[in-house]
Formats: sequence, structure tokens, C-alpha cells
Amino acid sequence: DAKTTQPNSMESNEEEPVHLPCNHSTISGTDYIHWYRQLPSQGPEYVIHGLTSNVNNRMASLAIAEDRKSSTLILHRATLRDAAVYYCILRLNTGNQFYFGTGTSLTVIP
Amino acid sequence: NAGVTQTPKFQVLKTGQSMTLQCAQDMNHEYMSWYRQDPGMGLRLIHYSVGAGITDQGEVPNGYNVSRSTTEDFPLRLLSAAPSQTSVYFCASSYSGVLGTEAFFGQGTRLTVV
Repeated sequence: DAKTTQPNSMESNEEEPVHLPCNHSTISGTDYIHWYRQLPSQGPEYVIHGLTSNVNNRMASLAIAEDRKSSTLILHRATLRDAAVYYCILRLNTGNQFYFGTGTSLTVIP
Repeated sequence: NAGVTQTPKFQVLKTGQSMTLQCAQDMNHEYMSWYRQDPGMGLRLIHYSVGAGITDQGEVPNGYNVSRSTTEDFPLRLLSAAPSQTSVYFCASSYSGVLGTEAFFGQGTRLTVV
């Protein structure tokens, strides 16, 4: 089974960069890597996704290891509003199978 | 901008009761899906739909039914509620694929079965 492994929790100071790691050693060549975050009492919110190359958008960057067995979500300047649980997800290329990890709870310290 | 709307937000059921969780989206997305989230865990897929009239099972479909008569609506029916179905339920829609390139989630329905 394709699975993801993330640290349970991380802390960051406000306005500092944050690197959230994810291991997915069983990934296959066509599985996509997605990141969603979930604020307290809300539904998940899309952050970013990628396949092989590093990706950037207005929210974050996604750095994917060359062997694709791990990836890192990068928040360039953490704000208090970034405090959430961040989920690294493998989406199989069939599009209808995916695996949520248990997520990393990010605390942002003012 | 409504996005994905779920009702109700909270519900308490007695064991054996049935109910329908409502989900509506206004983005004209073909893909819609239902998930449950148990404490300390990620989401698990219950059922999904790739368009009006087409549904399929996800990872944990037992005890739930769905139908999709319109693009906008995707209700989830609990046939005979059990305590094991106590969970937070999320509905989502996306333009491509169940999780898709970017899925939009509702605010969730917190269901307690006693």
C-alpha cells in the first residue's frame, strides 16, 4: 500500500520559513503528491501538488526528492494563519485512490 | 461565493435511525466525494461520483448509500446508524479526479450516534 509518513507536530516562529517533511517510500512512478491543510473545525484546503518536478504557487513550494521517496512542503514566511494540520497525500494515477497520512500539526509562535 | 455547502453542521442520531447528509456545490464540478474523518486520523473516502448518474464506492462504503441526480447535489444516506459511524463527514468537489488537481471541501457535518 502507498503510505505517507509525517512528523506528528512541528513548531515555527512567525515570519520564519517552515519545512514540512513527508516520506512516501512506496510511491510509484505515476503517483501524485498532494498537500492539503486543515484549520480547526474546517474542511481541508488545497495547498499544492506535484509529480516529479518542484512546484511553486502563491501559498507554498513543494520540493520533491530525485528518487520521489520523500517531499517537503515549504512555507516561505509562516504566519499565525498558517497554524493547521498539514496532510501529505499520495494520489494514485487512477485518480480515485489516495492515502491520507495522519498529518503534521504546525504551531506558529508569535 | 458558496463553494461546497454541507447541511446539517451537527447531528445526533439514535442507533438504527436513518438520515441524509446534504452536499451541494455551485462550481459545476463533475467530481464529488464523501469522506469521514475519525479522531487523529486523515480522511477516508466513502463514495464518490464522476458525474450525474454515476457513483462508485471508496475505501469505507459499508452502511452508506449515495446517488447523484444532478451535477450540484450529492447526498449521503446512512441506512441504519451505528455508533461506529460517529465521525466528522466532509463532502468535496473537484474539476478533475476525486481528489483532483484541487478539491474544494465543505465545512463538515459532525455526527454522533448514540
